Amino acid sequence: GAGVSQSPSNKVTEKGKDVELRCDPISGHTALYWYRQRLGQGLEFLIYFQGNSAPDKSGLPSDRFSAERTGESVSTLTIQRTQQEDSAVYLCASSLGGRTYEQYFGPGTRLTVT
Amino acid sequence: AQSVTQLGSHVSVSEGALVLLRCNYSSSVPPYLFWYVQYPNQGLQLLLKYTTGATLVKGINGFEAEFKKSETSFHLTKPSAHMSDAAEYFCAVSDVGANDYKLSFGAGTTVTVRA
Repeated sequence: GAGVSQSPSNKVTEKGKDVELRCDPISGHTALYWYRQRLGQGLEFLIYFQGNSAPDKSGLPSDRFSAERTGESVSTLTIQRTQQEDSAVYLCASSLGGRTYEQYFGPGTRLTVT
Repeated sequence: AQSVTQLGSHVSVSEGALVLLRCNYSSSVPPYLFWYVQYPNQGLQLLLKYTTGATLVKGINGFEAEFKKSETSFHLTKPSAHMSDAAEYFCAVSDVGANDYKLSFGAGTTVTVRA
């Protein structure tokens, strides 16, 4: 079946612009996660959705970052007024539920802020 | 949040040799433990996980890992490396309790396999 998809795969933007990153989870997965992967580093947790509510936003780096999810479907991560330090790969994952269920990852969106 | 340490950012092995990737975590309470593999331009794929029960866990592609509570370790091994094992490997550890959906990842170990 279809896995987690993300778009765009690559995004180059100028400093100060806003960007939207999209994630389509596996159908039927109630939990959705966003992570950030900086060059040479492990993944950093950003936000967790259960359905369309976000009980844990603790990893969002600043108020320039926001995310929403429509039902148990698509999620968008928005970064406003992008900065060079936002350059990273943004990964989305989904799972059947939270907690011990396996997280399935998408291929990521590589964001470059110039 | 958990702290996860992967010893060695790069490991080079000969084809057919043992692969050993080390992972240590910080929690005194056993969390859930995972190993993921990432091939170039692809998302992370779960190799194996430990939640409860037997401490030696077998995963896909001939990999296995052993949870050692006394050493707070979850090292990944494969007896005989194959060229297709060249990839980046990440150890991940869950928070404990109600936040156990939250994973903390190590910095990753890149494996190269020499013919």
